[in-house]
Amino acid sequence: TQLLEQSPQFLSIQEGENLTVYCNSSSVFSSLQWYRQEPGEGPVLLVTVVTGGEVKKLKRLTFQFGDARKDSSLHITAAQPGDTGLYLCAGGSGTYKYIFGTGTRLKVLA
Amino acid sequence: EAGVAQSPRYKIIEKRQSVAFWCNPISGHATLYWYQQILGQGPKLLIQFQNNGVVDDSQLPKDRFSAERLKGVDSTLKIQPAKLEDSAVYLCASSPTWANVLTFGAGSRLTVL
Repeated sequence: TQLLEQSPQFLSIQEGENLTVYCNSSSVFSSLQWYRQEPGEGPVLLVTVVTGGEVKKLKRLTFQFGDARKDSSLHITAAQPGDTGLYLCAGGSGTYKYIFGTGTRLKVLA
Repeated sequence: EAGVAQSPRYKIIEKRQSVAFWCNPISGHATLYWYQQILGQGPKLLIQFQNNGVVDDSQLPKDRFSAERLKGVDSTLKIQPAKLEDSAVYLCASSPTWANVLTFGAGSRLTVL
Protein backbone atom coordinates (compact mmCIF):
# COMPACT_ATOMS: atom_id res chain seq x y z
CA THR A 1 0.00 0.00 0.00
CA GLN A 2 1.39 3.39 -1.00
CA LEU A 3 1.45 5.94 1.81
CA LEU A 4 2.41 9.60 1.83
CA GLU A 5 3.29 11.08 5.20
CA GLN A 6 3.31 14.84 5.61
CA SER A 7 5.03 16.83 8.30
CA PRO A 8 4.34 18.83 10.26
CA GLN A 9 0.69 17.96 10.75
CA PHE A 10 -0.11 21.45 12.07
CA LEU A 11 1.74 24.73 11.72
CA SER A 12 0.84 28.12 13.17
CA ILE A 13 3.15 30.99 12.27
CA GLN A 14 3.23 34.76 12.17
CA GLU A 15 2.83 36.71 8.96
CA GLY A 16 6.20 37.21 7.25
CA GLU A 17 7.79 33.99 8.50
CA ASN A 18 9.09 31.24 6.22
CA LEU A 19 8.03 27.60 6.43
CA THR A 20 8.63 24.22 4.83
CA VAL A 21 6.21 21.31 4.56
CA TYR A 22 7.49 17.82 3.82
CA CYS A 23 5.90 14.90 2.00
CA ASN A 24 7.59 11.51 2.32
CA SER A 25 6.98 7.99 1.06
CA SER A 26 8.81 4.71 0.64
CA SER A 27 7.21 4.38 -2.80
CA VAL A 28 8.32 5.89 -6.09
CA PHE A 29 5.82 8.11 -7.86
CA SER A 30 5.70 9.13 -11.51
CA SER A 31 4.54 12.61 -10.50
CA LEU A 32 3.89 14.60 -7.38
CA GLN A 33 1.27 17.26 -6.96
CA TRP A 34 0.56 19.85 -4.28
CA TYR A 35 -2.93 21.11 -3.49
CA ARG A 36 -4.38 23.68 -1.12
CA GLN A 37 -7.82 23.19 0.39
CA GLU A 38 -9.90 25.79 2.17
CA PRO A 39 -12.85 25.00 4.46
CA GLY A 40 -15.96 23.88 2.61
CA GLU A 41 -14.16 23.54 -0.71
CA GLY A 42 -12.38 20.87 -2.67
CA PRO A 43 -8.59 20.83 -3.04
CA VAL A 44 -7.16 23.15 -5.69
CA LEU A 45 -4.08 22.12 -7.64
CA LEU A 46 -1.01 24.33 -7.07
CA VAL A 47 1.70 22.51 -9.01
CA THR A 48 2.75 19.23 -10.62
CA VAL A 49 6.36 18.02 -10.64
CA VAL A 50 7.35 15.03 -12.72
CA THR A 51 11.16 14.85 -12.84
CA GLY A 52 13.40 13.77 -9.95
CA GLY A 53 15.20 16.83 -8.57
CA GLU A 54 12.79 19.22 -10.25
CA VAL A 55 12.21 22.59 -8.61
CA LYS A 56 9.25 24.80 -9.46
CA LYS A 57 8.46 28.27 -8.18
CA LEU A 58 5.03 29.84 -7.97
CA LYS A 59 5.44 33.38 -6.62
CA ARG A 60 6.38 32.86 -2.95
CA LEU A 61 5.97 29.07 -3.10
CA THR A 62 8.85 26.75 -4.04
CA PHE A 63 8.20 23.07 -4.74
CA GLN A 64 10.87 20.39 -4.99
CA PHE A 65 10.61 16.75 -6.06
CA GLY A 66 13.21 14.45 -4.52
CA ASP A 67 15.88 12.91 -6.74
CA ALA A 68 14.47 9.42 -6.14
CA ARG A 69 10.88 10.63 -6.69
CA LYS A 70 9.83 9.41 -3.25
CA ASP A 71 9.58 12.74 -1.45
CA SER A 72 8.78 16.40 -1.96
CA SER A 73 8.84 19.68 -0.13
CA LEU A 74 6.89 22.92 -0.25
CA HIS A 75 8.59 26.09 0.96
CA ILE A 76 6.66 29.31 1.52
CA THR A 77 8.57 32.56 1.82
CA ALA A 78 7.12 35.46 3.80
CA ALA A 79 3.82 33.73 4.59
CA GLN A 80 0.63 35.76 4.43
CA PRO A 81 -2.78 35.17 6.08
CA GLY A 82 -4.11 34.25 2.62
CA ASP A 83 -1.80 31.21 2.66
CA THR A 84 -3.87 29.68 5.47
CA GLY A 85 -5.34 26.32 4.54
CA LEU A 86 -4.81 22.57 4.35
CA TYR A 87 -1.86 21.64 2.14
CA LEU A 88 -1.97 18.22 0.53
CA CYS A 89 0.59 16.36 -1.52
CA ALA A 90 -0.55 13.68 -3.94
CA GLY A 91 1.55 11.02 -5.62
CA GLY A 92 0.67 9.91 -9.10
CA SER A 93 1.25 6.43 -10.47
CA GLY A 94 -0.05 4.06 -13.08
CA THR A 95 -3.24 5.01 -14.83
CA TYR A 96 -3.56 8.54 -13.43
CA LYS A 97 -4.12 7.16 -9.95
CA TYR A 98 -3.44 9.75 -7.22
CA ILE A 99 -2.79 8.93 -3.57
CA PHE A 100 -3.06 11.84 -1.17
CA GLY A 101 -0.88 12.59 1.82
CA THR A 102 -2.01 13.04 5.39
CA GLY A 103 -2.19 16.83 5.09
CA THR A 104 -0.58 19.84 6.78
CA ARG A 105 -2.87 22.44 8.28
CA LEU A 106 -1.28 25.89 8.10
CA LYS A 107 -2.49 28.96 9.93
CA VAL A 108 -0.81 32.30 9.29
CA LEU A 109 -1.53 34.94 11.90
CA ALA A 110 -1.68 38.61 10.97
CA GLU B 1 -15.75 26.29 -18.26
CA ALA B 2 -18.12 24.93 -15.65
CA GLY B 3 -16.54 23.12 -12.71
CA VAL B 4 -17.30 19.75 -11.14
CA ALA B 5 -20.84 19.77 -9.75
CA GLN B 6 -21.78 17.74 -6.68
CA SER B 7 -25.02 17.32 -4.80
CA PRO B 8 -26.25 17.39 -2.16
CA ARG B 9 -23.77 19.63 -0.33
CA TYR B 10 -24.93 18.40 3.06
CA LYS B 11 -26.74 15.29 4.24
CA ILE B 12 -27.61 14.08 7.73
CA ILE B 13 -28.91 10.53 8.17
CA GLU B 14 -29.35 7.93 10.87
CA LYS B 15 -27.08 4.89 10.91
CA ARG B 16 -28.33 2.00 8.80
CA GLN B 17 -30.09 4.40 6.40
CA SER B 18 -28.99 4.84 2.80
CA VAL B 19 -27.68 7.88 0.96
CA ALA B 20 -26.65 8.74 -2.59
CA PHE B 21 -24.32 11.41 -3.91
CA TRP B 22 -24.22 12.72 -7.45
CA CYS B 23 -21.34 14.13 -9.45
CA ASN B 24 -21.24 15.80 -12.85
CA PRO B 25 -17.64 16.17 -14.06
CA ILE B 26 -16.19 18.77 -16.37
CA SER B 27 -17.35 18.16 -19.92
CA GLY B 28 -14.93 15.97 -21.84
CA HIS B 29 -13.09 14.67 -18.78
CA ALA B 30 -12.82 10.91 -19.21
CA THR B 31 -11.50 10.11 -15.73
CA LEU B 32 -13.68 10.51 -12.66
CA TYR B 33 -12.67 9.91 -9.04
CA TRP B 34 -14.54 9.57 -5.77
CA TYR B 35 -12.56 10.34 -2.61
CA GLN B 36 -13.56 10.12 1.04
CA GLN B 37 -12.10 12.81 3.31
CA ILE B 38 -12.50 12.40 7.05
CA LEU B 39 -12.18 15.63 9.01
CA GLY B 40 -8.58 16.79 9.23
CA GLN B 41 -7.20 14.04 7.01
CA GLY B 42 -6.14 13.73 3.40
CA PRO B 43 -8.61 12.38 0.82
CA LYS B 44 -8.73 8.60 0.41
CA LEU B 45 -9.44 7.22 -3.06
CA LEU B 46 -12.60 5.11 -3.15
CA ILE B 47 -13.02 4.50 -6.87
CA GLN B 48 -11.63 5.67 -10.20
CA PHE B 49 -13.51 5.48 -13.49
CA GLN B 50 -12.13 5.80 -17.01
CA ASN B 51 -15.17 6.65 -19.14
CA ASN B 52 -17.76 4.14 -17.82
CA GLY B 53 -15.25 1.48 -16.76
CA VAL B 54 -13.75 0.98 -13.29
CA VAL B 55 -9.96 1.44 -13.15
CA ASP B 56 -9.48 1.03 -9.39
CA ASP B 57 -11.96 0.24 -6.62
CA SER B 58 -9.57 -1.57 -4.29
CA GLN B 59 -10.41 0.67 -1.31
CA LEU B 60 -14.16 0.79 -1.84
CA PRO B 61 -16.01 -1.06 0.99
CA LYS B 62 -18.09 -3.06 -1.44
CA ASP B 63 -20.36 -4.55 1.22
CA ARG B 64 -21.94 -1.12 1.70
CA PHE B 65 -20.63 1.26 -0.97
CA SER B 66 -21.44 1.18 -4.66
CA ALA B 67 -20.73 3.56 -7.52
CA GLU B 68 -21.66 3.76 -11.13
CA ARG B 69 -20.92 5.97 -14.07
CA LEU B 70 -23.47 5.11 -16.70
CA LYS B 71 -22.79 6.55 -20.16
CA GLY B 72 -19.36 7.71 -19.00
CA VAL B 73 -20.52 11.14 -17.86
CA ASP B 74 -22.08 11.74 -14.45
CA SER B 75 -21.67 9.38 -11.53
CA THR B 76 -23.51 8.29 -8.39
CA LEU B 77 -21.97 7.01 -5.15
CA LYS B 78 -24.30 5.12 -2.82
CA ILE B 79 -23.90 4.00 0.78
CA GLN B 80 -26.27 1.37 2.16
CA PRO B 81 -26.44 0.86 5.09
CA ALA B 82 -24.50 3.79 6.52
CA LYS B 83 -22.30 3.48 9.60
CA LEU B 84 -21.14 6.17 12.01
CA GLU B 85 -17.61 5.98 10.60
CA ASP B 86 -18.91 6.94 7.15
CA SER B 87 -19.26 10.53 8.39
CA ALA B 88 -16.96 12.43 6.03
CA VAL B 89 -16.83 14.68 3.01
CA TYR B 90 -17.21 12.83 -0.28
CA LEU B 91 -15.21 14.55 -2.99
CA CYS B 92 -15.62 14.01 -6.70
CA ALA B 93 -12.84 14.96 -9.09
CA SER B 94 -12.37 14.70 -12.83
CA SER B 95 -9.41 14.80 -15.15
CA PRO B 96 -8.77 14.78 -18.87
CA THR B 97 -6.70 11.84 -20.09
CA TRP B 98 -4.07 14.10 -21.63
CA ALA B 99 -3.05 15.99 -18.47
CA ASN B 100 -2.23 15.35 -14.82
CA VAL B 101 -4.86 17.79 -13.63
CA LEU B 102 -7.52 16.85 -11.10
CA THR B 103 -10.35 19.31 -10.66
CA PHE B 104 -12.42 18.77 -7.54
CA GLY B 105 -15.99 19.60 -6.72
CA ALA B 106 -16.88 21.30 -3.43
CA GLY B 107 -17.81 17.96 -1.88
CA SER B 108 -20.81 16.42 -0.15
CA ARG B 109 -20.63 16.43 3.64
CA LEU B 110 -22.26 13.40 5.24
CA THR B 111 -23.10 13.17 8.92
CA VAL B 112 -24.28 9.80 10.21
CA LEU B 113 -26.02 9.92 13.61
